[in-house]
Amino acid sequence: EDQVTQSPEALRLQEGESSSLNCSYTVSGLRGLFWYRQDPGKGPEFLFTLYSAGEEKEKERLKATLTKKESFLHITAPKPEDSATYLCAVRDLYGQNFVFGPGTRLSVLP
Amino acid sequence: KAGVTQTPRYLIKTRGQQVTLSCSPISGHRSVSWYQQTPGQGLQFLFEYFSETQRNKGNFPGRFSGRQFSNSRSEMNVSTLELGDSALYLCASSMGQGHYGYTFGSGTRLTVV
Repeated sequence: EDQVTQSPEALRLQEGESSSLNCSYTVSGLRGLFWYRQDPGKGPEFLFTLYSAGEEKEKERLKATLTKKESFLHITAPKPEDSATYLCAVRDLYGQNFVFGPGTRLSVLP
Repeated sequence: KAGVTQTPRYLIKTRGQQVTLSCSPISGHRSVSWYQQTPGQGLQFLFEYFSETQRNKGNFPGRFSGRQFSNSRSEMNVSTLELGDSALYLCASSMGQGHYGYTFGSGTRLTVV
């Protein structure tokens, strides 16, 4: 059974204080790993898709990396507007649905 | 380009009633998926439709059902509502199955009293 865990559960950073969020996954064969951002009361917003170990994707202050067992979302010099819940999801080669992790709730203080 | 539209935005129903939620995907997207989101369980997959056919179903009771129309619009129905069905129901659309990520709507907040 596919499983996704995320750590930490919650993270508070000062503006400009870089950090990383972790997503660990167990999947029979990885079709893709996805990162989403979710603001309160809204649906998740797509950030990145990673397909194979060693792959990296960047967008503004965010950089996602992938290994065979985990993915990291690195946040460089975060701003208060980066505060949100960050969700990780996997899609395996055999199943057709996404399995989401519980998310990391990020707060960036000014 | 219009995003994924879900209606209604908020809904209050009484236990035992039934409810129908609607989702209009992004134009050109043929895959529609539904998710239930609660504080305790997070995002849980309900089902996925592609070209009017249900392709996958999550581990939910038969009270939860859905369908997709020829224009890719989708509806989700929950019969005999229970208090535990209170949640944010999210619809997401994609160009197809496989490698594509989903674009989510803002959801329907269902409260069962």
